[in-house]
Amino acid sequence: AQKITQTQPGMFVQEKEAVTLDCTYDTSDPSYGLFWYKQPSSGEMIFLIYQGSYDQQNATEGRYSLNFQKARKSANLVISASQLGDSAMYFCAMREAASGGSYIPTFGRGTSLIVHP
Amino acid sequence: DGGITQSPKYLFRKEGQNVTLSCEQNLNHDAMYWYRQDPGQGLRLIYYSQIVNDFQKGDIAEGYSVSREKKESFPLTVTSAQKNPTAFYLCASSMSFRASGIQYFGAGTRLSVL
Repeated sequence: AQKITQTQPGMFVQEKEAVTLDCTYDTSDPSYGLFWYKQPSSGEMIFLIYQGSYDQQNATEGRYSLNFQKARKSANLVISASQLGDSAMYFCAMREAASGGSYIPTFGRGTSLIVHP
Repeated sequence: DGGITQSPKYLFRKEGQNVTLSCEQNLNHDAMYWYRQDPGQGLRLIYYSQIVNDFQKGDIAEGYSVSREKKESFPLTVTSAQKNPTAFYLCASSMSFRASGIQYFGAGTRLSVL
């Protein structure tokens, strides 16, 4: 079973509108972390936002916010006021504990976002 | 400027050849990672290292090898045993395994088979 599921292979949004990218996760570790990364066509992965499993409030970073619904195991990324430069692949990722005290990162398959002018 | 440098940007491998991808970081991070990215499959973990002189296999370690002799360097060797090496390879680092785990990535190496 996939640990990170991104069900939207592609999304389109009009410039200046808000868009939500979906992410669900599966873990039995009570202390996990959730991340969103952006990958432009250049290939480099850029960290956007982080949510810890014990954080009470949804994380926000500028135009990015993470809609964290713990009971539903959902961590959707909301981008407000979309810009043309937001066109990219977006990956949801999770950090959970592995054996030996290490933490293993797992990535979803990504969602391609295209922003139309 | 602090960051992660991967080289080369493009690499071509001949049949039966081993090739080494370089990854250097000047962020003073303890943990480093290697990922493979194929179209439509996201990132898959090849190897990771929590500290110098230690590394662990990820999900797809077969056909790859790594070393971690210095904190700032984590080279990846794609051996001849890796029969399908064509992919985009990304190196990352994070402060430590026990911190939040935010990863910082290099620009990647695109490997193709001749």
